[in-house]
Amino acid sequence: DGGITQSPKYLFRKEGQNVTLSCEQNLNHDAMYWYRQDPGQGLRLIYYSQIVNDFQKGDIAEGYSVSREKKESFPLTVTSAQKNPTAFYLCASTGVRMNTEAFFGQGTRLTVV
Amino acid sequence: AQSVTQLDSQVPVFEEAPVELRCNYSSSVSVYLFWYVQYPNQGLQLLLKYLSGSTLVKGINGFEAEFNKSQTSFHLRKPSVHISDTAEYFCAVSASGGGFKTIFGAGTRLFVKA
Repeated sequence: DGGITQSPKYLFRKEGQNVTLSCEQNLNHDAMYWYRQDPGQGLRLIYYSQIVNDFQKGDIAEGYSVSREKKESFPLTVTSAQKNPTAFYLCASTGVRMNTEAFFGQGTRLTVV
Repeated sequence: AQSVTQLDSQVPVFEEAPVELRCNYSSSVSVYLFWYVQYPNQGLQLLLKYLSGSTLVKGINGFEAEFNKSQTSFHLRKPSVHISDTAEYFCAVSASGGGFKTIFGAGTRLFVKA
């Protein structure tokens, strides 16, 4: 079955460390997204990519970095510059047309310890 | 630019009662509208979508939504809720000029009580 796989489901990070969250899709979607979810704040867009080797900053890109070397993969690195990284992170993908719905992974819960 | 406003952050309701979750959007161009559901510690999944045609859209789990262009609304309804409908619901809009970006509302937490 086609879908999006995020790993790991739970991740613990020490302060000052960089961590990378994995997102892989086999839906043949061109566009991929990373969202951050905090209680009561809905989804906030971190980065998105419409095509391989290209990506754009979303609303809260500071302290994060991404790469898009393959169509199927869109990893997110949470750097030490992100002051409050504890959150639930969601990866999504869509087709090329705006009338296609987004498909989401199951999320990664990151906690700073 | 597009925006989405979900008018209620939390909606408590008794089991078997009807429910309406409200969503308003703003856009200067034609839009596509979506409702997603999120169960605890999971990703979002599509409930229903409006692309064109009939303004009443039926989705999974007995939910439906009505697109009202004059009021720029896309409210979600269910005539009789179950305990299992307890979840967070997100309204979203996709429109030309926004590229591939879909704009999500802040979410409405539906809490069904026995």
